[in-house]
This record gives sequence, C-alpha cells and structure tokens, in this order.
Amino acid sequence: GENVEQHPSTLSVQEGDSAVIKCTYSDSASNYFPWYKQELGKGPQLIIDIRSNVGEKKDQRIAVTLNKTAKHFSLHITETQPEDSAVYFCAASNTGFQKLVFGTGTRLLVSP
Amino acid sequence: GAVVSQHPSRVICKSGTSVKIECRSLDFQATTMFWYRQFPKKSLMLMATSNEGSKATYEQGVEKDKFLINHASLTLSTLTVTSAHPEDSSFYICSARGTEKVYGYTFGSGTRLTVV
Repeated sequence: GENVEQHPSTLSVQEGDSAVIKCTYSDSASNYFPWYKQELGKGPQLIIDIRSNVGEKKDQRIAVTLNKTAKHFSLHITETQPEDSAVYFCAASNTGFQKLVFGTGTRLLVSP
Repeated sequence: GAVVSQHPSRVICKSGTSVKIECRSLDFQATTMFWYRQFPKKSLMLMATSNEGSKATYEQGVEKDKFLINHASLTLSTLTVTSAHPEDSSFYICSARGTEKVYGYTFGSGTRLTVV
C-alpha cells in the first residue's frame, strides 16, 4: 500500500521567512496530493492540492510542487506569519480516491 | 464550498457505555465517508471507509464490533464506539467525498472522546 513520509517533523522560522515541507510517496498510482493545516483541537483544513498532471500550483503565499518521477512533493510558504503556526500534513490518494494516506506531520512555529 | 458537520465536538463517557458520533455533509452528497483516529501529536490513522448503503471496510487492526459504522444516507455517517474503555479515548475525525467530479476530501471538525 501507499506510504507517505514527511520531513521535517518540526520547523521553526522567523516571521517573514519562507518555510518548506517535503513529502515522498511510494505508490506510483497515486495521483492526488493535498496539503492540510491542522490547528489544535480541530479537524484538518485543506490549504492547497495538486494533481499528477500538474507540476506546480500556487495560491498567494502558498505553493506546491510535484515531481512524479522522483515521487516527491513539497509545500512552500512564503512571507510566513505567526498565524501560519500549526501542524501541516501532506497526503496522497490513489486512483479513484478510495483512500487518503497521510504523512506524519510537520509542526511549524513562526516567531514574531 | 463543501461543508462537513461533526457532532459532538467533545464527549465524556463512562467505561462500558457506548458513544455515537455523527458526521453530516451539509451541502453535497457524500458517497464515501472515512473515519480517522488521531492520537496526541500524531498523524491521522484511517479506521474505516464506508460507502452509502454498504458495509464499511475496516483497516487492519481495527475492531469491527467495537467501532460500528453506519452510512445509511448520502449525507450521514455515524461511528459508534461500543463498550468504551479508557484506551478508546482519542480524537476522532470524519471525512467525506462527494458524488460529483470534484476532487478532494472534506473533513469534519473532530470529536474529542474521553472515557473515564
């Protein structure tokens, strides 16, 4: 089955810096890669996603890149703000969206 | 956008009792719903997948008789934790996927279960 690895587990940056979180997946059949932000005591919220037919997607300060050959995808947050502090999860879904496998999570702390 | 409502947000129950958690898709029809369990500072672990009108498919290691899942309609799925024990205390989260060709999964806000 699919296995998703995520690094780093924790990331501390200063406000205004950029943050990058990386994930690798194992199943070449996976074709949908979302990123979620989870705040304490809440469910995950989708912040951006990418499909396998696209190499990069951007939404304001957030961007995701996908390298299908290497089976890895990354989340890029620019101009970080304290409110970006949360746990971020990457995930991968197989064809038919029957199962979403999560990475282990990255705790991002943005210091003012 | 797609909204999934999950209730209750918090519940405390006594050992040996059963607890039901509801997950509703408010503005779309959810053919498939997923139930996850999350331990503190850990990732989401898929417990089971349910398709409307069918029996749920449980992940390996998840007890079917303890975690009863019902997906009787396209907008409602329930998870019942039966004969709860303190080790069942956790954060439970549901997710739904729609019938339309809309990619993505919408998550509920989660339920914090504490068994005393």
